[in-house]
Amino acid sequence: AQSVTQLDSQVPVFEEAPVELRCNYSSSVSVYLFWYVQYPNQGLQLLLKYLSGSTLVESINGFEAEFNKSQTSFHLRKPSVHISDTAEYFCAVTYTGTASKLTFGTGTRLQVTL
Amino acid sequence: ETGVTQSPTHLIKTRGQQVTLRCSSQSGHNTVSWYQQALGQGPQFIFQYYREEENGRGNFPPRFSGLQFPNYSSELNVNALELDDSALYLCASSLGGEATYEQYFGPGTRLTVT
Repeated sequence: AQSVTQLDSQVPVFEEAPVELRCNYSSSVSVYLFWYVQYPNQGLQLLLKYLSGSTLVESINGFEAEFNKSQTSFHLRKPSVHISDTAEYFCAVTYTGTASKLTFGTGTRLQVTL
Repeated sequence: ETGVTQSPTHLIKTRGQQVTLRCSSQSGHNTVSWYQQALGQGPQFIFQYYREEENGRGNFPPRFSGLQFPNYSSELNVNALELDDSALYLCASSLGGEATYEQYFGPGTRLTVT
């Protein structure tokens, strides 16, 4: 069965500092991996995804994540965060070749302060 | 282009009652997935509808049921409400039922069961 572990429930960071949000998954088959962001009182927005090809994927707002098959990880990074990045971040996984049932982690609250 | 919409925004019900939540998919999308997000948790997959047929179900009891209409909008029905059903219910639509299709989430319906 698929499962996703987000090791940090909360990550406090100062503005302009780098950040890494960790995600590990367990699956015995090929997977697709996603990061979603949830702002207060809103639904989920797709931040970036790995389906195939280059293991490093980037978002339009400076986030990047690297698929590491040997470590079954898909950590999210940003070299310099902004106050507006404060939100809940969810890592999710689904099997390749199946219906799009997403399995989510429990989320990481990124709190950016001045 | 209209995004995914859900109604109502908030709902308060009493234990034992029944509830119907509604979702309008994004234009051109034929697949709708429903997720339950309990407070402080990641979303959990309830079920998916693809072209009016159920296309996968998560670990939820039969009192959670759904429907998809010819215009691809969808309903989630929950019978015999329990206190643990209190959660944010998210609907997501996509162009197809396979895992490669991006899911676009609505803002959710906050259900409180007292």
